[in-house]
Amino acid sequence: KAGVTQTPRYLIKTRGQQVTLSCSPISGHRSVSWYQQTPGQGLQFLFEYFSETQRNKGNFPGRFSGRQFSNSRSEMNVSTLELGDSALYLCASSPDGTGFSSPLHFGNGTRLTVT
Amino acid sequence: AQSVTQLGSHVSVSEGALVLLRCNYSSSVPPYLFWYVQYPNQGLQLLLKYTTGATLVKGINGFEAEFKKSETSFHLTKPSAHMSDAAEYFCAVSDAGNQFYFGTGTSLTVIP
Repeated sequence: KAGVTQTPRYLIKTRGQQVTLSCSPISGHRSVSWYQQTPGQGLQFLFEYFSETQRNKGNFPGRFSGRQFSNSRSEMNVSTLELGDSALYLCASSPDGTGFSSPLHFGNGTRLTVT
Repeated sequence: AQSVTQLGSHVSVSEGALVLLRCNYSSSVPPYLFWYVQYPNQGLQLLLKYTTGATLVKGINGFEAEFKKSETSFHLTKPSAHMSDAAEYFCAVSDAGNQFYFGTGTSLTVIP
């Protein structure tokens, strides 16, 4: 099975712009989660989608949004970019319908740099 | 909400020495526990997991971890460190709330 695929791998944007990141989960996985990873903060949970519905959301401003499509692929969008949004954005998928006893499977991330 | 504490943000060991990475969690219900490894410019890779059953869990690359409910701990060990073990290690816990909670990570350096 193919793993979790994230595109693009690297992005450079300017403050004030918006960006869209894409994630294709492992085939058959219906849950997709997004995390922001920075050296000072570790992994911060953004949101989780299951069957096109946002099931959980972390403590991020409304500039961060996401969606999931019927084929389980997911996108996240960040509007009005700030310098502090520079980070590695990780997508993870899981098959679970209820609870998280199955592990998360991570993609290699998208490295976003805001200048 | 759950919380995960990894003691020691940086650990250095000599090649061939024991690796011990500590993880403690807070949970009011039996948790699901995981260890992940991250190499530079890559995502996180699952090392091992505890869900139910035997409390000593064996994972990939010779790593193992023991779930100790009384101590709320899930420490990661490897008898003999290899240079290729140098990486960032994350402990994580999940519960039926459909969310994972990650520790802040431990960077492992292996000294030749």
